[in-house]
Order: sequence, then structure tokens, then C-alpha cells
Amino acid sequence: AQSVTQLGSHVSVSEGALVLLRCNYSSSVPPYLFWYVQYPNQGLQLLLKYTSAATLVKGINGFEAEFKKSETSFHLTKPSAHMSDAAEYFCAVSKNRDDKIIFGKGTRLHILP
Amino acid sequence: DAGVTQSPTHLIKTRGQQVTLRCSPKSGHDTVSWYQQALGQGPQFIFQYYEEEERQRGNFPDRFSGHQFPNYSSELNVNALLLGDSALYLCASSSVPGGWNEQYFGPGTRLTVT
Repeated sequence: AQSVTQLGSHVSVSEGALVLLRCNYSSSVPPYLFWYVQYPNQGLQLLLKYTSAATLVKGINGFEAEFKKSETSFHLTKPSAHMSDAAEYFCAVSKNRDDKIIFGKGTRLHILP
Repeated sequence: DAGVTQSPTHLIKTRGQQVTLRCSPKSGHDTVSWYQQALGQGPQFIFQYYEEEERQRGNFPDRFSGHQFPNYSSELNVNALLLGDSALYLCASSSVPGGWNEQYFGPGTRLTVT
């Protein structure tokens, strides 16, 4: 069965600093992996998706994630944090393009001025 | 281009009552998935509808049921409400060409059961 584990329910970074949100996955087959962002009182927005093409995936708003099979990881990064990045971030996994998505518990990102 | 819309925005119900939530998918999408997001948790998959039939289902009791209409819109029904059903209910739409797992989410319906 597929699952994801997000390390750290809360992460705080200073404005302009590197953002690193950690996600490890478990999957019996090569997975599809996702990062979603949820702003307060809103639905989820897809940041990026890994589908076994390039291991480094670039998403919206300057975010990117790298698929590392040896570490079963799919960490999300952004070189320079902006106040508008404060939100809840969810890592998710699916076993193929047509299967349901399994979400992690989320990491709330706080940006310090 | 209209995105995914959901109604109502908020809802307050009493234990034992029944509730119906509604979702209209993004233009061009034919598949609707429903998720329950409890406070402080990630969304949990309830079920998915395609061609007016339930295509996949998560680990939710039969009290949770759904329907999809010919125009691809969908309803989520919950019977015999429990306090634990209080959550944000998210609808997501997708289409076959993009892959059913490339989903676009609506803003959600906040259900409070008292």
C-alpha cells in the first residue's frame, strides 16, 4: 500500500531563507508523487507532480522537488522564502495515473520577517 | 474558465441528521473525487465518480454515498451524522486525458455536527 510521511508538522524559516519540507514515501510500485499547497480557508492547489520522467521537478511559485529512489524521498524546496509562502503543504502519492491519491498529514510553513 | 465549485460553504447539522453537499467540476473535467479533511489532518479519499458510477472508494462506511449527474456535477450524502463527521469536505475534478490523479480542488464545504 502507498503512504507518505511528512517530517515536521510545523516548519519556520526566515523570509529570504531556503525552504525545505521533507516527505518520504512508501510504495510497492514506482509511484506518482505530488506536492499540494493549501492556503487558509481554501482548497488544495497542485504545486508539482512527479511521474517518473525527470527526477527534478519544477513547480509553480518557484518550488521544486527531487525524487530520490534510494532514499524514498521527495523533498520540496524553494531557494528564497516569501511571506506569501506561509501555508499548509501536503505531500501525496498515487500508484498510477488513474489511482486514488493518498495524502500525508501536512506541514505548516511559517515565514518569519 | 470556472474552476471547481462547491456548495454550501458552511453547514451546521445535528447528530443523526442527513446532509447533502454539492460539487461542480472544472470545465472539461468528467471525474469527481470527494475527500474528508479533519482538522489538522491531510485529506482522506472517500470515493470517485466517473460516468455516473462509483469508480473507486476509500475506507468510509456506507453512511457516505454519492451521485454523479449527466452534466458531471456530483453530490455527497452523509446519513446518520456523527460528531466525528465534522470536517472540511473537498471535491476534486479530473479527466481521463490528464490522468485521474491530476486533480483540481474546490474550496471545500465546512461541515459542523453538533
